[in-house]
Amino acid sequence: AQKITQTQPGMFVQEKEAVTLDCTYDTSDQSYGLFWYKQPSSGEMIFLIYQGSYDEQNATEGRYSLNFQKARKSANLVISASQLGDSAMYFCAMRARSQGNLIFGKGTKLSVKP
Amino acid sequence: DTGVSQDPRHKITKRGQNVTFRCDPISEHNRLYWYRQTLGQGPEFLTYFQNEAQLEKSRLLSDRFSAERPKGSFSTLEIQRTEQGDSAMYLCASSLWRDSGRAFFEQFFGPGTRLTVL
Repeated sequence: AQKITQTQPGMFVQEKEAVTLDCTYDTSDQSYGLFWYKQPSSGEMIFLIYQGSYDEQNATEGRYSLNFQKARKSANLVISASQLGDSAMYFCAMRARSQGNLIFGKGTKLSVKP
Repeated sequence: DTGVSQDPRHKITKRGQNVTFRCDPISEHNRLYWYRQTLGQGPEFLTYFQNEAQLEKSRLLSDRFSAERPKGSFSTLEIQRTEQGDSAMYLCASSLWRDSGRAFFEQFFGPGTRLTVL
């Protein structure tokens, strides 16, 4: 069975500092994709970054980077230079090749302090 | 706006009534997904379509739930005889899918329909 675990219910970070949000996953598929989404209080899920299981380099998108450690089955999100607008829920998700849908973790609530 | 749209954004209904939600995906996307999200949880998969074919349904999708995508464009999700436990945010997402090349495409989500069953 596929599973995503996010162990940090809430995190605080000072504005302009970097923060790492943890995500571990479990799957028996060899081919899978890992995704991070941001959900502000408005409710819309915003795609941030994607990492494929066969990608050799860690994904980066602007201030977001994904620290992918395949052997440890972890896919942590790193946000550099935090901004007040980064305050939101962050969800880690996975899609195994054998499935069509995303499996989500329970999320981490990030609060950026001025 | 070329994103995923959902209608209505909010729906309040009485227990036992039927409700229907609509989702319009991004036009070139051939896959469409429905998820349900309750407070404090991540979205949970309900069902998805590739073009007009419904490819998978979750065990969460009881007999009271039905989804359609008749022409492979917009989709509807109907809940019959609503129960208080159906109160949740219903999210629609769409993505590309191709038989070859890149294996995974990100799913783009709509703003959701918040259902409250009294």
